[in-house]
Amino acid sequence: SQELEQSPQSLIVQEGKNLTINCTSSKTLYGLYWYKQKYGEGLIFLMMLQKGGEEKSHEKITAKLDEKKQQSSLHITASQPSHAGIYLCGADMNAGGTSYGKLTFGQGTILTVHP
Amino acid sequence: SAVISQKPSRDICQRGTSLTIQCQVDSQVTMMFWYRQQPGQSLTLIATANQGSEATYESGFVIDKFPISRPNLTFSTLTVSNMSPEDSSIYLCSVVSAVGSDTQYFGPGTRLTVL
Repeated sequence: SQELEQSPQSLIVQEGKNLTINCTSSKTLYGLYWYKQKYGEGLIFLMMLQKGGEEKSHEKITAKLDEKKQQSSLHITASQPSHAGIYLCGADMNAGGTSYGKLTFGQGTILTVHP
Repeated sequence: SAVISQKPSRDICQRGTSLTIQCQVDSQVTMMFWYRQQPGQSLTLIATANQGSEATYESGFVIDKFPISRPNLTFSTLTVSNMSPEDSSIYLCSVVSAVGSDTQYFGPGTRLTVL
């Protein structure tokens, strides 16, 4: 089984709708990274969360890490076609958070936004 | 932020041959990594590129198959040796600017197809 589970695997929404993507682990997440990937391209860094209960926002995207540091959510408000792509969560799962760059990734969520 | 370039951006190779991928960063970075993304899969860490010494490989990856060099703080190469169709993937370079940094960047990737 995956160490880092993302849900849903794919998501189709109408422009203007809100949506949430989840990233869950049975282990503690010492650093949780969210990336966006356009098909066949590199990863665009969105946000990084470290502290339990932490929440960060950038434009219409908000990411949260739960208090137990085992689950993160990415929420997009009023989605636009430009939000379409693959969203990946990656985590430092090494005890003490000393992996520094050695990330374990979820399977990704494919987001489609219809105009 | 760090700007990462990779060469080539894509290539089609014959089985049994080798390909060297270059990763160039626009600033000095502490840590550099190589990841692989197989078709329809998420990212998997291949190795940590260490400056001036042998790379540190993850389980399932060996130096003979994926030799890595890192001669300085801004440049690294990954060679995929004796290629087979199973090596068809996107190979991504990733960097962490400094230990403790809350940002990890990825390059645009090199799409490799092995026939």
